[in-house]
Amino acid sequence: EAGVTQFPSHSVIEKGQTVTLRCDPISGHDNLYWYRRVMGKEIKFLLHFVKESKQDESGMPNNRFLAERTGGTYSTLKVQPAELEDSGVYFCASSQDLYGPQETQYFGPGTRLLVL
Amino acid sequence: AQKITQTQPGMFVQEKEAVTLDCTYDTSDPSYGLFWYKQPSSGEMIFLIYQGSYDQQNATEGRYSLNFQKARKSANLVISASQLGDSAMYFCAMRASNTGNQFYFGTGTSLTVIP
Repeated sequence: EAGVTQFPSHSVIEKGQTVTLRCDPISGHDNLYWYRRVMGKEIKFLLHFVKESKQDESGMPNNRFLAERTGGTYSTLKVQPAELEDSGVYFCASSQDLYGPQETQYFGPGTRLLVL
Repeated sequence: AQKITQTQPGMFVQEKEAVTLDCTYDTSDPSYGLFWYKQPSSGEMIFLIYQGSYDQQNATEGRYSLNFQKARKSANLVISASQLGDSAMYFCAMRASNTGNQFYFGTGTSLTVIP
């Protein structure tokens, strides 16, 4: 069974440009999460989809970030326009059902974003 | 507020020795789960082990065990018989019932296994 995949693995863009990150969750997983790790800090939650609906977007830093999950399969996270402080590693995770605190989230390898 | 603290930015261990990676947490929620993930240089986050707040016994998965001390709010990861392939970043994470489904992570510990 394929794990969570993310594309691209690395992206280097200039300030003011737009970048779109993609995440393909594990097949059959209704829950999809985006997280971000800024250099040297903890991994922080951005948002949570249940199928195509945004369940929780309390971690989204500002309106330059737009996440979508059309059809409840893969998800995209667009940053427009990108700023220097957006640099970091963006992780996607998925889980099957919400059984409570024991539900394991499976993470992808992340997209390393560098904004110059 | 939920918080995870990992106080060891870097650790070294001799091959075949055991090592303990520290993790303390803070939550007022009585129902929560604690997780450890491994991130090798390839970048993928690999789930290692889970401990529930109501579990009576410490979790074990092969060479990984979780030393769960609820009163101290600690959930240390113990790796026995370290191997070179254990060199990686290790993250402790928590999920609490009453604060949605997000994970709260620590800053991670970089483990290096020395031959």
